[in-house]
Amino acid sequence: DSGVTQTPKHLITATGQRVTLRCSPRSGDLSVYWYQQSLDQGLQFLIQYYNGEERAKGNILERFSAQQFPDLHSELNLSSLELGDSALYFCASSPYRDNEQFFGPGTRLTVL
Amino acid sequence: DQQVKQNSPSLSVQEGRISILNCDYTNSMFDYFLWYKKYPAEGPTFLISISSIKDKNEDGRFTVFLNKSAKHLSLHIVPSQPGDSAVYFCAARGLRGNTGKLIFGQGTTLQVKP
Repeated sequence: DSGVTQTPKHLITATGQRVTLRCSPRSGDLSVYWYQQSLDQGLQFLIQYYNGEERAKGNILERFSAQQFPDLHSELNLSSLELGDSALYFCASSPYRDNEQFFGPGTRLTVL
Repeated sequence: DQQVKQNSPSLSVQEGRISILNCDYTNSMFDYFLWYKKYPAEGPTFLISISSIKDKNEDGRFTVFLNKSAKHLSLHIVPSQPGDSAVYFCAARGLRGNTGKLIFGQGTTLQVKP
């Protein structure tokens, strides 16, 4: 158990819908990262937050947004969902930009 | 543009033998490299890392080697055990700056046969 929690574990929805994925980092970690893993793909960095502020952005679609709240949990919002958005979404946390990131178990999103 | 590449999708070795997983990268500005192990239905688990100022780091059965001139790193597992069967990802920390974002390879599935 990494100490990073993600909810929900599974999510099935329809095209055009909007969903919110939630992540609680390890106690004391200020940085939260979101990654997407599509079928047969490696993990693709989406976005990083540090202590409530956006720190880095990857190939995140404009339909996706994220935020980190004062209690340091983070939410990833996916809207106007398309079939191609079906993937595993992982959250990771670290104290700052420390070398090791600790990953949650992921949320499996299926868009039908 | 795949900056971190794992060219072998899969590897099969016998229990007790050495497993060697390889990773190549293209960006000489990467300053830190990590290996993660992933079991099905779980998130990646950190295994071992190496700074770009070193060429070797060892932790128990796991050793990572870095060849900066060749932009190549490898993970050695000795001796391999059936519980090591998993997907292994190498990752590189992004360009210098105050971000810790990681760039991952595609992964190599290791099967260790009893």
